[in-house]
Amino acid sequence: GAVVSQHPSRVICKSGTSVKIECRSLDFQATTMFWYRQFPKQSLMLMATSNEGSKATYEQGVEKDKFLINHASLTLSTLTVTSAHPEDSSFYICSASHPPRVEQYFGPGTRLTVT
Amino acid sequence: GNSVTQMEGPVTLSEEAFLTINCTYTATGYPSLFWYVQYPGEGLQLLLKATKADDKGSNKGFEATYRKETTSFHLEKGSVQVSDSAVYFCALSDLSPGNKLVFGAGTILRVKS
Repeated sequence: GAVVSQHPSRVICKSGTSVKIECRSLDFQATTMFWYRQFPKQSLMLMATSNEGSKATYEQGVEKDKFLINHASLTLSTLTVTSAHPEDSSFYICSASHPPRVEQYFGPGTRLTVT
Repeated sequence: GNSVTQMEGPVTLSEEAFLTINCTYTATGYPSLFWYVQYPGEGLQLLLKATKADDKGSNKGFEATYRKETTSFHLEKGSVQVSDSAVYFCALSDLSPGNKLVFGAGTILRVKS
């Protein structure tokens, strides 16, 4: 149990376009989902926390208008990178949690390359 | 604030060697502690966890004990395999609303046959 999927696994887009990444909890209801960004050979950087039906809470320094997060249901959250630029190229990972469990379950990640 | 410090890697071992990856933490209150593993090009998988002092988490031959007195959660395995080669992250749950995780920097483990 506790499987989280992400789609797509890889995406290449042109500079100035927008890209949407989906995160789904397949076998449990995720009241909270998290979005992380990971640079090569580095740890995960939390971008935002999203609760179903409410606005996401962004970490300091993360542009909310650039990284749009929607958590419309208990099994789906989306991250849209708007007007993408090459510096947005990265590995984006989502996770989901389901209280009272304290651990997070991670998706397999999405490799975004902006050309 | 809360933080996690892991030993720097990479750690390179021969197959069947003993593994220790050190992890210490700073936190207010009583956080839950985790080890996650990341294989190349993949997301993170929960390896083990401990939610209170003196708890021992274990999975797939890996163990870690929540030591409150030394604020540590060191990862150990008695005999590593080539397939254990990955990046290992120590993390704590700071018990904030939504249970945000605070990660260590990660330790690369390379096991040679």
